[in-house]
Amino acid sequence: GENVGLHLPTLSVQEGDNSIINCAYSNSASDYFIWYKQESGKGPQFIIDIRSNMDKRQGQRVTVLLNKTVKHLSLQIAATQPGDSAVYFCAENGSSASKIIFGSGTRLSIRP
Amino acid sequence: EPEVTQTPSHQVTQMGQEVILRCVPISNHLYFYWYRQILGQKVEFLVSFYNNEISEKSEIFDDQFSVERPDGSNFTLKIRSTKLEDSAMYFCASSEVQGRGPQHFGDGTRLSIL
Repeated sequence: GENVGLHLPTLSVQEGDNSIINCAYSNSASDYFIWYKQESGKGPQFIIDIRSNMDKRQGQRVTVLLNKTVKHLSLQIAATQPGDSAVYFCAENGSSASKIIFGSGTRLSIRP
Repeated sequence: EPEVTQTPSHQVTQMGQEVILRCVPISNHLYFYWYRQILGQKVEFLVSFYNNEISEKSEIFDDQFSVERPDGSNFTLKIRSTKLEDSAMYFCASSEVQGRGPQHFGDGTRLSIL
């Protein structure tokens, strides 16, 4: 998918450092959240998800934190690598059983 | 790893023509979706589909659009009488469960309306 021209927040991180990407969601009824990674010319790729009965979930090199009080979600990427360069979207299920609602995305760039 | 596949990767169509975008969801998934991403904008939900019926559709998904599962493996999006503003990336997704499980996306079809 193309995000050229999309005025995204950008996060620039030194290779090897940890990255933290933040997302604010708006729907209090959301009880399921997902992080997707989108590289140029590709579709959103599932990274990690979390349900509202949890506040932290860890995967391989990634951690998602959920703060329901302030409706905030974050994605932490440990030891960032050049291959992590992409646009990262948070998504929520809102009050729907069948769709997910994407946020506007953050572009992560890695400095060598 | 199983994946969602979409064809064609790029479709160029004259305004007013009909177009069919094709998707092969992951084989054991039962829930199917279409989303679109207009250049410079967010990924937007169009429609969800389960058990040969539309489960939910957005305001974008008007009478110009239709979906079909013509056989056991394909899931299609038809756009009748295309307009310039239909130009976008169209993504198909599928999931094993609905609502609280990940949707897995294909790499999209770029639709260009001339």
